[in-house]
Amino acid sequence: AQSVSQHNHHVILSEAASLELGCNYSYGGTVNLFWYVQYPGQHLQLLLKYFSGDPLVKGIKGFEAEFIKSKFSFNLRKPSVQWSDTAEYFCAVNQFYFGTGTSLTVIP
Amino acid sequence: EAQVTQNPRYLITVTGKKLTVTCSQNMNHEYMSWYRQDPGLGLRQIYYSMNVEVTDKGDVPEGYKVSRKEKRNFPLILESPSPNQTSLYFCASSLQGAFTDTQYFGPGTRLTVL
Repeated sequence: AQSVSQHNHHVILSEAASLELGCNYSYGGTVNLFWYVQYPGQHLQLLLKYFSGDPLVKGIKGFEAEFIKSKFSFNLRKPSVQWSDTAEYFCAVNQFYFGTGTSLTVIP
Repeated sequence: EAQVTQNPRYLITVTGKKLTVTCSQNMNHEYMSWYRQDPGLGLRQIYYSMNVEVTDKGDVPEGYKVSRKEKRNFPLILESPSPNQTSLYFCASSLQGAFTDTQYFGPGTRLTVL
């Protein structure tokens, strides 16, 4: 069965701290991986995606994610977070399968 | 502006009173879907549609109906709402529903069933 796990449910960081959000998946076929972000009061929007090629992908607002096939992981990273990064982050596989989300709070 | 719109944004209703949440997209996308978002459960797909007159069940279809009579519209119907359908609902669309397609989401509809 397909599943997407996000083990960090709620993360609190101070501004300028580094961020890494975990995403692990279980899927039997080819995977296309996405990270979506939902800012407070707004709809979900695409942060970045990986289909093939370089396993390190860069997205908007300084975010990046690395696909590690051997670990079935697609972790999201940002070297230095800002208060405006406070949001809920969702990992997804093949467009349809979403993780439970990670709520990030950045303290000024 | 390319967008997915939903109405209403907020709705409070009572058990058993039929309701419809509308969804419309202006991007000529073939694929549309409905999700519900619940704390600790993330987004779960309710129904999806690959094209006009083609709909199929997602992971949590019980208690919901959909229709796709026009390409741009994909309403979600709750014939007899119950309190366990209190949730945040999102409509989404993508070009063709391929695994590589990015989904575009509406602003959400917060539904409370008393």
